[in-house]
Amino acid sequence: DAKTTQPPSMDCAEGRAANLPCNHSTISGNEYVYWYRQIHSQGPQYIIHGLKNNETNEMASLIITEDRKSSTLILPHATLRDTAVYYCIPRSGSARQLTFGSGTQLTVLP
Amino acid sequence: DVKVTQSSRYLVKRTGEKVFLECVQDMDHENMFWYRQDPGLGLRLIYFSYDVKMKEKGDIPEGYSVSREKKERFSLILESASTNQTSMYLCASSFPDSMNTEAFFGQGTRLTVV
Repeated sequence: DAKTTQPPSMDCAEGRAANLPCNHSTISGNEYVYWYRQIHSQGPQYIIHGLKNNETNEMASLIITEDRKSSTLILPHATLRDTAVYYCIPRSGSARQLTFGSGTQLTVLP
Repeated sequence: DVKVTQSSRYLVKRTGEKVFLECVQDMDHENMFWYRQDPGLGLRLIYFSYDVKMKEKGDIPEGYSVSREKKERFSLILESASTNQTSMYLCASSFPDSMNTEAFFGQGTRLTVV
């Protein structure tokens, strides 16, 4: 599995867009990029995933660069409930497990 | 609403006790997983199962065993609990890997071994 680099922490003002970057320069062609988040003392929650096209769902948007070496998760209007650790996880279809790194602690400030 | 349910939110056990952590999912998922999460070490895979009665070791299986007698239920067993097994335990489930779908996690069981 590809290694990832994420900033350890970020702040965002409530109501503003939160842009969380992830570097995965060693990603292979068959690896999707998954994003999960973990609110304090809860289990991880799936957000979104993509292969090479940008993706959007009701929670977030995922922008993947054309060379696939990095991606950005966008929460368009962050709320206090979005305060969590966000994990970027490259994963191929043959990988049984998710390999979690240290993620980014996002703090949404009032 | 899809659910992965872990039997206990908090558990306190004594050293040497046999401990059972239960996990049930209602999504007819083939895959089920047990992770533990510790500060500074992140989530680490203990065991997973891709079918009834099938299991595979993860990264840190020592001191643990598992049981999957029914598709919806995956149990983690600590044969003789030790203080270094004090941790947050997380269960997850998913469809087969080839479908490239997401995993769903339970709310976690915080186990303290004294």
